[in-house]
Parts: sequence; structure tokens; C-alpha cells
Amino acid sequence: SQQGEEDPQALSIQEGENATMNCSYKTSINNLQWYRQNSGRGLVHLILIRSNEREKHSGRLRVTLDTSKKSSSLLITASRAADTASYFCATNNNNDMRFGAGTRLTVKP
Amino acid sequence: DADVTQTPRNRITKTGKRIMLECSQTKGHDRMYWYRQDPGLGLRLIYYSFDVKDINKGEISDGYSVSRQAQAKFSLSLESAIPNQTALYFCATSDSQGGIAKNIQYFGAGTRLSVL
Repeated sequence: SQQGEEDPQALSIQEGENATMNCSYKTSINNLQWYRQNSGRGLVHLILIRSNEREKHSGRLRVTLDTSKKSSSLLITASRAADTASYFCATNNNNDMRFGAGTRLTVKP
Repeated sequence: DADVTQTPRNRITKTGKRIMLECSQTKGHDRMYWYRQDPGLGLRLIYYSFDVKDINKGEISDGYSVSRQAQAKFSLSLESAIPNQTALYFCATSDSQGGIAKNIQYFGAGTRLSVL
């Protein structure tokens, strides 16, 4: 069964706007990861946040983690048309990786 | 992307046929995984292997088998394909040297399988 659940399922924004995606999960974790998938391609790792971290940045990406609420968010700032893709959160609990169903992001030029 | 190679990229087969999907990697990772992706369901783990000859079932292993004869290769077999096995299949690798604190996975480009 899936561990992470992303919200929203789909998001459409204009280029230059920020995009926020949320992930909720159910069990304890060692870390939480975000992946990106272009249509029909393999997933690509974006960023990892450990269970003892609250926020992490990588370029235009900002990830937050609230273990008390069992939730995480991914913020993409100043979005570009090339950011159009599906984004998945994945929880890692002692090497048991579970992926959510993903958020489909469309960035309109 | 070429670090994890899946063959074939597309396959159409008939119900009852046996087929094999291949995965090879040049990343030198010891861990390998097979997932299937269905629309709206994300990725679900079929089998995983932490080393040569080590095989572990994932959450949806029924109807599938795997073989890990070499560190760089991990093959997935459908003994008797059925239409609900139509899906996108991904192979992934990870490096145990990262420790359980990491487990970052690297994916192949996928195999699109249709069972008629």
C-alpha cells in the first residue's frame, strides 16, 4: 500500500508563479524524498530531507518536513515551463521505500 | 540516464505468454528494485534485491519472479502474462554505502508492457 499521499493531484500555474505540493504519510520515517518524472520517463531524485530536519533548500526547491503532523511540502519558486512534470514523495523507513501517487504540475508559458 | 538500462522499452504480448524484462546498471550499486506504475497509483514495489542471489518480495509480487545472477543485472519475469499486468515497469538501484539514512534510488527509463 502507498505510504505517501500527495495533494493536490493536479496543479496548473503560470510561469513565474510558485508551486506548492504536499505529502502526508502514516508511519515513522528515516527520511523523505521528492522525485520528479517527466511524461513516460523514469523518476529522478530531487531532494532528501532527514527525519531530524525541518527544512531544506536546493536551488529553486524548498522542502519542509513536520514529523508531528507526518507531512511534507515541496515548494518550487519562480516556476518555468520546463518544470512541467509529475512530482512524487517517497518515504523511507529502514529501507522500506513507499511512493505516493504523485502531483501532476503543469506550468503554462 | 544510461547508468540504469532497461530492455525492451516497449513490449506487446498476449495473455499466457512468458516474458522477461531486463535491467542492467553501471553504477556499481548493490541494491536493485522492480516497480510497476499504474495511472493514479504511483509506484508499487514488486521485488527487490540487496545483493547477488538475494531476493525479497515487495507488496505486489504475485504473478512475477526475478533473478539476480550478477550485481549489475536484475531481470523480471512474468510467467504467464495477464491483461491486468499491463503497466509501466521501472527498475531502480541504490547504494547501501549510503546507509539506511539515504536509500536514494536511481531509475531506468521504463518498459511499457501491454498484455492483450
